[in-house]
Amino acid sequence: EVQLVESGGVLVQPGRSMKLSCAASGFTFSSFPMAWVRQAPTKGLEWVATISTSGGSTYYRDSVKGRFTISRDNAKSTLYLQMDSLRSEDTATYYCTTGYPGITGWFAYWGQGTLVTVSS
Amino acid sequence: DIVMTQAPLSVSVTPGESASISCRSSKSLLHSNGITYVYWYLQKPGKSPQLLIYRMSNLASGVPDRFSGSGSETDFTLKISRVEAEDVGIYYCGQLLENPLTFGSGTKLEIK
Repeated sequence: EVQLVESGGVLVQPGRSMKLSCAASGFTFSSFPMAWVRQAPTKGLEWVATISTSGGSTYYRDSVKGRFTISRDNAKSTLYLQMDSLRSEDTATYYCTTGYPGITGWFAYWGQGTLVTVSS
Repeated sequence: DIVMTQAPLSVSVTPGESASISCRSSKSLLHSNGITYVYWYLQKPGKSPQLLIYRMSNLASGVPDRFSGSGSETDFTLKISRVEAEDVGIYYCGQLLENPLTFGSGTKLEIK
């Protein structure tokens, strides 16, 4: 059974940094691209970033480009999201997702989410 | 960016009746390989989203066959036959054709 468990979400001041983690199990982590999707309180879903199986290719939405870094450690079956220069508009629940690109897509499996609150 | 527009904003359905949710994309989601990259998700209250339909009309694993997806290159429909109480939540369409990957704003389904 695919399991994705996010952690690291806390209350942080604007301008500060935070790193989220997603521990994966139940599948061959190194064979699947991964993604982060976020959801601001009472709002809809917003794709944040995607990373290839090797980590050699990454993609970001414009609003986080240059501030967020997606990475992975295949030996530890863990996905990361380094978030720098945080803004209030980054406040959201962050979900780790995966799937079969081109078939079920990157959002076939979801973690339970971790809440990031950016506020002074 | 591809804009995904959903309608209605909310729908109230009597158990056992059918419901349809529409989604329109600002650009064709039909790839040259013949596959249409529109997806449907359900977020039940207090839960993470779950995949319902992939590549416009394919039912995800474990999803009841009361759910079905159809459409053209830019206009898509999610149909729920024989609605049950467990179907309540917010339904989102999404496009996975190109970056940035985008979602509709959601349709809330309630039970009468």
